[in-house]
Amino acid sequence: EAGVAQSPRYKIIEKRQSVAFWCNPISGHATLYWYQQILGQGPKLLIQFQNNGVVDDSQLPKDRFSAERLKGVDSTLKIQPAKLEDSAVYLCASRGNRGFSYGYTFGSGTRLTVV
Amino acid sequence: SQQGEEDPQALSIQEGENATMNCSYKTSINNLQWYRQNSGRGLVHLILIRSNEREKHSGRLRVTLDTSKKSSSLLITASRAADTASYFCATDAWGNNYKLSFGAGTTVTVRA
Repeated sequence: EAGVAQSPRYKIIEKRQSVAFWCNPISGHATLYWYQQILGQGPKLLIQFQNNGVVDDSQLPKDRFSAERLKGVDSTLKIQPAKLEDSAVYLCASRGNRGFSYGYTFGSGTRLTVV
Repeated sequence: SQQGEEDPQALSIQEGENATMNCSYKTSINNLQWYRQNSGRGLVHLILIRSNEREKHSGRLRVTLDTSKKSSSLLITASRAADTASYFCATDAWGNNYKLSFGAGTTVTVRA
């Protein structure tokens, strides 16, 4: 099966600019996640979708970050305006519905540099 | 907040040697998973161990889980240069609605 697709792979923007990332999960996977991974740290969950509904966005900085998952398939994560501390790799992952012992599949990530 | 804590933070070994890294976590779990990451790219799922399992093998990987101590270990046997990467443990906790909490990772360097 095809993996989780993310684009772009790299993005460099100036602070206070806007940026958007796109994710296409594995076909049929109901659950989609966005993680932020700052250099030298483990990934931190930003938002979790179940189909097109938000399950958990408790760690999403909602004053500048937004995400949507139209029709329960593709998802977009947006940052507006960006800050220097948003420099990180943004990882998208999806998960099927075969019970709790089923693994997750991650995309290759988008590396964001804010200058 | 991060659930898992890996130890050591960094590990350097000679090709052919074994690499062992440990993970401790805080709350009850459904399962614990190990991932590999090369050069800040995407995470590759290595192995999943359920809370009622104590040991699992996959190729050169051996994972143990001790739920009484809330800890897990990952052993890579006969390491190769291609094993150079960061390794993360991630917990899938009870009542956590199926989402992973990651530790900070162990960076493994395998010297040729």
